[in-house]
Amino acid sequence: NAGVTQTPKFQVLKTGQSMTLQCAQDMNHEYMSWYRQDPGMGLRLIHYSVGAGITDQGEVPNGYNVSRSTTEDFPLRLLSAAPSQTSVYFCASRTVRYQETQYFGPGTRLLVL
Amino acid sequence: AQKITQTQPGMFVQEKEAVTLDCTYDTSDPSYGLFWYKQPSSGEMIFLIYQGSYDQQNATEGRYSLNFQKARKSANLVISASQLGDSAMYFCAMRGRMDSSYKLIFGSGTRLLVRP
Repeated sequence: NAGVTQTPKFQVLKTGQSMTLQCAQDMNHEYMSWYRQDPGMGLRLIHYSVGAGITDQGEVPNGYNVSRSTTEDFPLRLLSAAPSQTSVYFCASRTVRYQETQYFGPGTRLLVL
Repeated sequence: AQKITQTQPGMFVQEKEAVTLDCTYDTSDPSYGLFWYKQPSSGEMIFLIYQGSYDQQNATEGRYSLNFQKARKSANLVISASQLGDSAMYFCAMRGRMDSSYKLIFGSGTRLLVRP
């Protein structure tokens, strides 16, 4: 059981480049989300999805796009990378039913030069 | 607005002793959930324990227990019999049940170092 997987683990970008962070889960969870973690801080919600075809913005959505074409996958796109997007990105998933626990992926470390 | 406060940036504990990590919260939601996550140096976020605001008893999971004091709005994590592998960052988080985004609000974390 893989749980939540993320690729790549590390990425270095130049300012203005675009890229997609991949996230997949095999637990048939309806809900998926993206968080970013900056030094000395907890995680902040970027975007989330409550099911295939449904996405919405979180606290810090600017500069990011998401789509949810399948239950399993929830990619995060950086349209034009900026140094302020240097961070660690976590994908998470959960069921929207009874259990409250959110399961996190291993994270992607992104450095924008 | 919802907020989580962790006032201990760093803590030391001797191996095999118990330690309490503090967490206070603020919310206007009548129903909410409180979580603790562990983040070791490898970086992943590991779920430890969950407490619902209407749960009658404090949550326990092995060596972890959550000291929930609703009137004080505190949800402290107690780790009994500390082990060297407990050295990590610990984050307290909250979700308001009225929030349809299922967003977790995180505190800034406490770094725990277990001494041999």
